[in-house]
Amino acid sequence: EIVLTQSPGTLSLSPGGRATLSCRASQSVSSSYLAWYQQKPGQAPRLLIYGASRRATGIPDRFSGSGSGTDFTLTISRLEPEDFAVYYCQQYTTSPPYTFGQGTKLEIK
Amino acid sequence: QVQLVESGGGVVQPGGSLRLSCAASGFTFSSYGMHWVRQAPGKGLEWVAFIRDDGSNKYYADSVKGRFTISRDNSKNTLYLQMNSLRAEDTAVYYCAKRGYCSPTNCHYYMDVWGKGTTVTVSS
Repeated sequence: EIVLTQSPGTLSLSPGGRATLSCRASQSVSSSYLAWYQQKPGQAPRLLIYGASRRATGIPDRFSGSGSGTDFTLTISRLEPEDFAVYYCQQYTTSPPYTFGQGTKLEIK
Repeated sequence: QVQLVESGGGVVQPGGSLRLSCAASGFTFSSYGMHWVRQAPGKGLEWVAFIRDDGSNKYYADSVKGRFTISRDNSKNTLYLQMNSLRAEDTAVYYCAKRGYCSPTNCHYYMDVWGKGTTVTVSS
């Protein structure tokens, strides 16, 4: 089973700032099968990024994903008030289980 | 528009059973594999189970293997999760989610559409 470790656990930033969230895998994630989700309180998760760097439909271009192998990054440039939420990475290599990271909470400073 | 609506959650005693449903609309349900994902109160996301588009293959997290069964009825555009021998640690919001796209050579098993979830509480 691939274990994903996200850092930091909590990130405190101001609107207009730049957020860098990390996701490290315990073994290589083949073909960059890595996704990022955003979840706000009381809501279902929303897909942001798949294939490590491809934005999902309707996702603003201030969200970008990068990385390969075992190290992946979600970057949010120019933080908007609605971006403060919890973010999860997930690996979806061809064999289950399709594990999630423990999440990074992005909070307003 | 693509929509997933879960139902069937509730309060059940330890050792009891519950069946969750997920009604799909706005896409060709029979062409997509489907996931169940859960979230315990105040905790992160946990993948629970996946079923292929035709129901031919099913996969489970170790935490639910042997107790939960994922199934689907493509004629009714509905996904199910039969949960038996429930434990307190199964208490969570359960989400159904649609699998991502398939290219000619492979499929992507991320979750591109999620339902709003249904709450399961296991308590005496």
